[in-house]
Amino acid sequence: DAGITQSPRYKITETGRQVTLMCHQTWSHSYMFWYRQDLGHGLRLIYYSAAADITDKGEVPDGYVVSRSKTENFPLTLESATRSQTSVYFCASSFGGQNQPQHFGDGTRLSIL
Amino acid sequence: GDSVTQMEGPVTLSEEAFLTINCTYTATGYPSLFWYVQYPGEGLQLLLKATKADDKGSNKGFEATYRKETTSFHLEKGSVQVSDSAVYFCALTASGSARQLTFGSGTQLTVLP
Repeated sequence: DAGITQSPRYKITETGRQVTLMCHQTWSHSYMFWYRQDLGHGLRLIYYSAAADITDKGEVPDGYVVSRSKTENFPLTLESATRSQTSVYFCASSFGGQNQPQHFGDGTRLSIL
Repeated sequence: GDSVTQMEGPVTLSEEAFLTINCTYTATGYPSLFWYVQYPGEGLQLLLKATKADDKGSNKGFEATYRKETTSFHLEKGSVQVSDSAVYFCALTASGSARQLTFGSGTQLTVLP
């Protein structure tokens, strides 16, 4: 089925570990985004990508790394996880026009102990 | 920078009551405005959008009008149902932006039978 899928849905890890969150979309959208959702902050943009091999920082990029070797995949890596990165992470994609809505995955709930 | 200010929640209503969730924004130029809804355990879904001044977006009985003179995009529904219980997010994409969404902090709506 067409859509956007995130994996895993839930992840518990320890501080200092590396963890990668996966995002895959089947719409051939050019733009992909990573957001984190924290109580009282709504969603904040971490990184986005306009096309394969093109990525750029959002509002809160520190501590995160992204890559986009294929149009359909946009993994997010926490190279050395910290407790402040405990959050719900959402991936989204769109065709990229200003009026185009973004389509969201179901999220990954990440807990860092 | 761009910002969205949303009515503080949570909001609790009885079934068939009238709903208003206030949203105001700050942005240069002519942003596009969106309302997204998030049901428990799910990602965000587009509820409605408006792309220019005086546009009215509508979907599933919800409406919002793009008011440039008051920089507002308030969400309304004439008669809420229990199934409308969710978190509602107001958001914008700024003209000339890299297409990322700027979100309000969200409003939790609970509708009681």
